[in-house]
Amino acid sequence: NAGVTQTPKFRILKIGQSMTLQCTQDMNHNYMYWYRQDPGMGLKLIYYSVGAGITDKGEVPNGYNVSRSTTEDFPLRLELAAPSQTSVYFCASSRDRNTDTQYFGPGTRLTVL
Amino acid sequence: QQQVKQSPQSLIVQKGGISIINCAYENTAFDYFPWYQQFPGKGPALLIAIRPDVSEKKEGRFTISFNKSAKQFSLHIMDSQPGDSATYFCAASFSNSGYALNFGKGTSLLVTP
Repeated sequence: NAGVTQTPKFRILKIGQSMTLQCTQDMNHNYMYWYRQDPGMGLKLIYYSVGAGITDKGEVPNGYNVSRSTTEDFPLRLELAAPSQTSVYFCASSRDRNTDTQYFGPGTRLTVL
Repeated sequence: QQQVKQSPQSLIVQKGGISIINCAYENTAFDYFPWYQQFPGKGPALLIAIRPDVSEKKEGRFTISFNKSAKQFSLHIMDSQPGDSATYFCAASFSNSGYALNFGKGTSLLVTP
């Protein structure tokens, strides 16, 4: 099992550009999550999904969109990138609501200039 | 508003010593309290977790102490080793959110030889 994979590893965007961060898991997990990590601030939840076709907002959803068309994939879309979106983004997954352990991907480091 | 408050921000411990990291929370609906360990350039990984029906959980050198009435929990690392040097995050969640994690800001632990 590859677990949770994320692409790209690094990306530099210009203000106003858009991009999609990819996340794929091969563990057949129902629950998937997107977090952002800023220095000294811990991780904050952006969006999460409890299954294909079902998504919900987390603590910091503004400026982002998600979709979940398959169990495996949970892409995060940034529209009109802003410097405040400079961060490290982590995708995570867990099997179901009764299995708490979240498995994290290696992260995508995004810089918006 | 930070739902989980973590201290200290950084910690230096000599090899063989005890590392203690503390967390406090406000939301009494939280029913799951994990600790995650993160090495530089990697995603967080679950270290140990506890539910509020027990006051202590031990796994090897790692122990969580939980005080429900005080709404506090802590991580103790016994016989700390240089390989334990990492950032530690406490978190809290509840089942209605799909166990989406509310993280503390993290503690950077350095264990000196």
